[in-house]
Amino acid sequence: QQQVKQSPQSLIVQKGGISIINCAYENTAFDYFPWYQQFPGKGPALLIAIRPDVSEKKEGRFTISFNKSAKQFSLHIMDSQPGDSATYFCAASTGGGNKLTFGTGTQLKVEL
Amino acid sequence: GAVVSQHPSRVICKSGTSVKIECRSLDFQATTMFWYRQFPKQSLMLMATSNEGSKATYEQGVEKDKFLINHASLTLSTLTVTSAHPEDSSFYICSARRRGAGSGELFFGEGSRLTVL
Repeated sequence: QQQVKQSPQSLIVQKGGISIINCAYENTAFDYFPWYQQFPGKGPALLIAIRPDVSEKKEGRFTISFNKSAKQFSLHIMDSQPGDSATYFCAASTGGGNKLTFGTGTQLKVEL
Repeated sequence: GAVVSQHPSRVICKSGTSVKIECRSLDFQATTMFWYRQFPKQSLMLMATSNEGSKATYEQGVEKDKFLINHASLTLSTLTVTSAHPEDSSFYICSARRRGAGSGELFFGEGSRLTVL
């Protein structure tokens, strides 16, 4: 019940395209859903996060869509750039975002 | 933004030795720090939660005597891998929650790559 399932495992997008990564969860007690970006050999960096009281949050080129009834949330990267090539992790937690359960990760490659 | 520093970033050691990894919050006080382990091309797995001034809470399956965690101050937590073996080779990452911060404000370190020969 603590799992967060993430798909796809890898994704190739053309420059300027939209990258979409999906996550699903089972635990209805989760109340914080962040997305992290990780470059090789580096720690993850918070991109954007959402709470279940809203269905969408946008920050620059990054948008989270949240479907509470389906227990799914997704990350959309608009106008994808080669510099966006990295591994993306969704995560979820209860009680305010402390103990995170991470998804399995998506390796994104943005091609010219 | 808040900075979490890990040291060393890379360490190679012989089997049977112990290795200490430090995690420091450079510009904020962290009441809680978390230690993760990440194998190549895999996700982050939480190992333990470290609270300042108290014993760490370990996740199921993590050997507390193998992975010693100390959170002696509000800016420093250490992870010691005792009697390291090749299977302990991994990328270890810490994160810290700013004291008094709103929920969700976790900052990650750059990670420490441990290679045990």
